[in-house]
Amino acid sequence: AQSVTQLDSQVPVFEEAPVELRCNYSSSVSVYLFWYVQYPNQGLQLLLKYLSGSTLVKGINGFEAEFNKSQTSFHLRKPSVHISDTAEYFCAVTPTGANNLFFGTGTRLTVIP
Amino acid sequence: DAGITQSPRHKVTETGTPVTLRCHQTENHRYMYWYRQDPGHGLRLIHYSYGVKDTDKGEVSDGYSVSRSKTEDFLLTLESATSSQTSVYFCAISEPNRQGNEQYFGPGTRLTVT
Repeated sequence: AQSVTQLDSQVPVFEEAPVELRCNYSSSVSVYLFWYVQYPNQGLQLLLKYLSGSTLVKGINGFEAEFNKSQTSFHLRKPSVHISDTAEYFCAVTPTGANNLFFGTGTRLTVIP
Repeated sequence: DAGITQSPRHKVTETGTPVTLRCHQTENHRYMYWYRQDPGHGLRLIHYSYGVKDTDKGEVSDGYSVSRSKTEDFLLTLESATSSQTSVYFCAISEPNRQGNEQYFGPGTRLTVT
């Protein structure tokens, strides 16, 4: 079985400061990893994904994430946040070869002017 | 943006009434999914479809049924709505031949059961 833990339900950060949103997963098989963003009253949009290869993955809007297999983590980072980054962020995993996504409970990022 | 629409976008209904939500895609993707989103739970899979007339249950399928008679449409039915089914419902699509099988989401339907 797979599970995803997002350790912080809310993260406030000042504008232009760096941010890290944490994600840990549990799985008995190899997985693909995803980060999605949800802006208020909208659906989810893919930020980035890790399938294989380089463990540092770059996504849209200046976000990046690093896959750490030994720590079963896939933390999301941005060196300098903008007001427009205020949103909810979801980490998700799927076993390789499967079709179901398993989501974490989300982290609400609030950027303070 | 992936061509996914959901209807209605908002609905208020009474306990015990049947409700059907529709998801329509223009991408010709084989897989379609229904999720519900609730505070503190993230998104949870209700049902999914891997082709016309081919469906399977997800994590929280009790009280829900689905149908897929055409590639482009995936219907979610609450046979007798309950207050615990008040939620935001998202449809998603994916094409499994693409590595990683990333999913694309619709705009959501906010359902309130009074």
